Amino acid sequence: DVKVTQSSRYLVKRTGEKVFLECVQDMDHENMFWYRQDPGLGLRLIYFSYDVKMKEKGDIPEGYSVSREKKERFSLILESASTNQTSMYLCASSFGGVFDTQYFGPGTRLTVL
Amino acid sequence: KQEVTQIPAALSVPEGENLVLNCSFTDSAIYNLQWFRQDPGKGLTSLLLIQSSQREQTSGRLNASLDKSSGRSTLYIAASQPGDSATYLCAVSSGANNLFFGTGTRLTVIP
Repeated sequence: DVKVTQSSRYLVKRTGEKVFLECVQDMDHENMFWYRQDPGLGLRLIYFSYDVKMKEKGDIPEGYSVSREKKERFSLILESASTNQTSMYLCASSFGGVFDTQYFGPGTRLTVL
Repeated sequence: KQEVTQIPAALSVPEGENLVLNCSFTDSAIYNLQWFRQDPGKGLTSLLLIQSSQREQTSGRLNASLDKSSGRSTLYIAASQPGDSATYLCAVSSGANNLFFGTGTRLTVIP
């Protein structure tokens, strides 16, 4: 079974802090994704990566950056956290991009005070 | 831009009933459509993926259909159980590497 893990289930940070969210998958998938999920807005794509060191912006990349130094690990970085970044963050991976099933991690609920 | 709508937002049914969840999308030029399940505070679990050339997919008590020309998909759940209680999300792929998600239908199956 595919396993996607995220470094924290719950995280509380202060405005202005630099925040790192880590995601690891164990199935040698090429593609990895970061989404945020907010009530009434559904899931929105922040960034995705189709290979090591490769990244593409999604719908809402502002205020975020990503890093993919190893195939199994995809990090989401909030350079200077703001209260409007309080959300549930979900990582996913897939073998064939959007042509294939995406496998999701358990999510990180981030609160920015 | 692709927009995905799921109606109703919430649904309660007694155990044992068959039920249908609806998903509609605005742009029929899709690669595929997926149905996911999400339990409270958890990530998403993929249930079914229908490629654009397919009309339906089945897995156990679940059957998903796709009518691309009308921009609609349904998820049929047979003989519902309390364990089916969750939020069900549909998502369509319209190209690039993006999935467009609906906001989900929260299903409660009453014992």
